[in-house]
Parts: sequence; C-alpha cells; structure tokens
Amino acid sequence: GESVGLHLPTLSVQEGDNSIINCAYSNSASDYFIWYKQESGKGPQFIIDIRSNMDKRQGQRVTVLLNKTVKHLSLQIAATQPGDSAVYFCAEQYDKVIFGPGTSLSVIP
Amino acid sequence: NAGVTQTPKFQVLKTGQSMTLQCAQDMNHNSMYWYRQDPGMGLRLIYYSASEGTTDKGEVPNGYNVSRLNKREFSLRLESAAPSQTSVYFCASRVDRGSYEQYFGPGTRLTVT
Repeated sequence: GESVGLHLPTLSVQEGDNSIINCAYSNSASDYFIWYKQESGKGPQFIIDIRSNMDKRQGQRVTVLLNKTVKHLSLQIAATQPGDSAVYFCAEQYDKVIFGPGTSLSVIP
Repeated sequence: NAGVTQTPKFQVLKTGQSMTLQCAQDMNHNSMYWYRQDPGMGLRLIYYSASEGTTDKGEVPNGYNVSRLNKREFSLRLESAAPSQTSVYFCASRVDRGSYEQYFGPGTRLTVT
C-alpha cells in the first residue's frame, strides 16, 4: 500500500553544521512532495515543495532532493541553527496527501 | 489575517461525552481538512472538504462527523468520545491553485478519560 517513511526518527546536529533528513515513499505515481516543520506545541508549517518533474529545489538555507529511481526524498538544512530544532515531516501527494511519521531534529549549541 | 484558528486549545472529556471542535480560516481557501496526530505518528486525515457543501472521509473517519458550515468554517464533532480519540487535532486549509501547500491551525489537545 501507499506509505511514506523516514529512515531516522531522531537526529542531533551541531549548530552550524548541515542537516540531512531523509524520507522514503512507496507510491511511484505521487507527483508532488512537501516538507513541513513542526515546532513544539504548534501546527506544521510549510518549508519547501517539489514536483515530480524536478530532482532538486532550493529555498532559503534549505534544499530538497528527489530521487524517483529509488523513491527517496531528502531535506538539507545548511548552517543549522537552534531555531531549526523541530519535527520535520515529509508528505506525498497523489490522490490525497500522506504524511510520514516525522524526524525530530535537535540542534546542539 | 489570522490564518487558521481553532477552538478550544485544550479539552478534557469523559467517555461518552460529545463535543465539537471549531475551525475557521480567513484566506478564502476552498479546501479544508481535519487531522489527528498521535505520539510518534504522522498526521492522519479524518475528513476533508473540497468546497462549501461537500465533505469526504479520510483515512480514520470512524467516530467523527464534520460540517462545512460555510466557506470559512469547518467543524469536527465527536458524538460519543472514547479514550482512543485522545489526540491532538489539527485543522488545515489549502491553497487551491498551483500548490498543495496546507496551512495549519495551532491544534486542539483532547484527552478522553
């Protein structure tokens, strides 16, 4: 069946280092992918999206990479800051949106 | 703009009690959603509404009902609360053209004892 999953449930990164959060998806027909950030006690917030006809998209300090061959998505955060500490969700869109379970990113000052 | 607002923020219910979670958005979005979020799990879709007057079941609709009162408001009702419905509930609305980005409310933390 359809599923979206993350390889690492938790990730600790030193402040200033780059972070990489991974996501696997199983529906090869998914045509749109989104990364959300959820801070403690708040609702998810959009970070960046990518369509299936692209393999890379860059935003401010964030880059999303899409590898359709292995059905893998990653979020790269450059120069990680304490304010980046949160849970990060990937989501895939085909007929409906499916969210992955999330990765908790902890930034060590 | 307030974005997506939800009330209440917290609620404690006894098994069998009923309640309605309220959601409103001021972004003129057509699509609205209700999710639940349980510890260690992603968001699971309960119900959604693609436009005023229409509602559809999501992944986990049992035990819930919804009403799309108008374009702005989308409520979620628990008719007879059960401990398994203890969760954090999020409402969201979506930009309808060009993007699938959803805007989320701050959530309602519900405990059923």
